[in-house]
Amino acid sequence: GAVVSQHPSRVICKSGTSVKIECRSLDFQATTMFWYRQFPKQSLMLMATSNEGSKATYEQGVEKDKFLINHASLTLSTLTVTSAHPEDSSFYICSARDRGVGGNQPQHFGDGTRLSIL
Amino acid sequence: AQSVTQPDIHITVSEGASLELRCNYSYGATPYLFWYVQSPGQGLQLLLKYFSGDTLVQGIKGFEAEFKRSQSSFNLRKPSVHWSDAAEYFCAVGPTNDYKLSFGAGTTVTVRA
Repeated sequence: GAVVSQHPSRVICKSGTSVKIECRSLDFQATTMFWYRQFPKQSLMLMATSNEGSKATYEQGVEKDKFLINHASLTLSTLTVTSAHPEDSSFYICSARDRGVGGNQPQHFGDGTRLSIL
Repeated sequence: AQSVTQPDIHITVSEGASLELRCNYSYGATPYLFWYVQSPGQGLQLLLKYFSGDTLVQGIKGFEAEFKRSQSSFNLRKPSVHWSDAAEYFCAVGPTNDYKLSFGAGTTVTVRA
């Protein structure tokens, strides 16, 4: 149980293109999803918290107009990297928190998306 | 503010030998603690978690971790490592009221034959 599907796993596109990444919780409902960015050999950097039916909360220094997040349902959140440039190339990972009561629900992670902007 | 320290950046261990990964945390209340493993190019897989109760927690793949409040530690152990245990390991603490986790910098484990 607790499977999170992230799609696509890899994207290569030209500079200026917008790229959408999907994050789905397959067997549970997730009121909260998280988007992380990970640079090579580094830990995860939280970009934003996505709450179903409301606006995402972005971490300091993350451009909300560059990284658009939509959490339209209890099982789907999307991250759109708008007008992507080479510096946006990275490994993006989503996680979903099971819709349980209390703070002790672990986050379940997708397999990540390798984004390469040429 | 909560924080996590993983003192060891890289550990090399022989196959069949024991493994211990260190994790120290700073948290203002009773922490929820997690260990995740990441294989190259993959997402994170939950190994185990501690919320309350027995301070020795059993996880998947033969891993266990021990919560020591007095030392603010949550070290991960495995008695006998397998080559497939080579990966990046992350300790995390949380959550805050908005369910965020704080991750350590990670420890890379290399397994030699």
